[in-house]
Amino acid sequence: ILNVEQSPQSLHVQEGDSTNFTCSFPSSNFYALHWYRWETAKSPEALFVMTLNGDEKKKGRISATLNTKEGYSYLYIKGSQPEDSATYLCAPTVAGGTSYGKLTFGQGTILTVHP
Amino acid sequence: DSGVTQTPKHLITATGQRVTLRCSPRSGDLSVYWYQQSLDQGLQFLIQYYNGEERAKGNILERFSAQQFPDLHSELNLSSLELGDSALYFCASSAPGTGMGNEQFFGPGTRLTVL
Repeated sequence: ILNVEQSPQSLHVQEGDSTNFTCSFPSSNFYALHWYRWETAKSPEALFVMTLNGDEKKKGRISATLNTKEGYSYLYIKGSQPEDSATYLCAPTVAGGTSYGKLTFGQGTILTVHP
Repeated sequence: DSGVTQTPKHLITATGQRVTLRCSPRSGDLSVYWYQQSLDQGLQFLIQYYNGEERAKGNILERFSAQQFPDLHSELNLSSLELGDSALYFCASSAPGTGMGNEQFFGPGTRLTVL
């Protein structure tokens, strides 16, 4: 069973603040790291899929970095807005065996942006 | 709207009963994944099918089974239901090709309540 840890568990910020959170995962047999955003009463929605060490992805005010050698990824939100309030989930996939396509989600970071 | 459909949206049943949850993937997607999200647990992977064949398996109970049909829709069968099976069940699909690096598109979920 993959051990995926996300920190912090929850975060409260003011509108306009920039913030970041961490996803830690085992680096062995790494294939890809997925970030998802999950708003209340909706379904998880993919933000990024990252595969290369040193990879950086950006979508609007949200960006992510990946370190596969040490097994971590950071998600950054610049100038947080109330609509960014959601749970942010990360999930690595590993190569080989019977884990094909399986996403092992962390517990998530719950972000609340106060106006 | 992710393009993944799930029926029913809500299901209320009694302990010991059997239910079937249905999922239709996005047009062209060959992979279907099932996830369970219960109150005390995060999003847990149950099983993956690719073009009709089982591809990966998570901690799916023996009372649960799934299949993917020739038209690529999938069904998750839950039998001998227990109170603890009450959860939100998501289906997701991804594009053809290696499943590990493809983003997964989640359906709206089926909320199962076992009384």
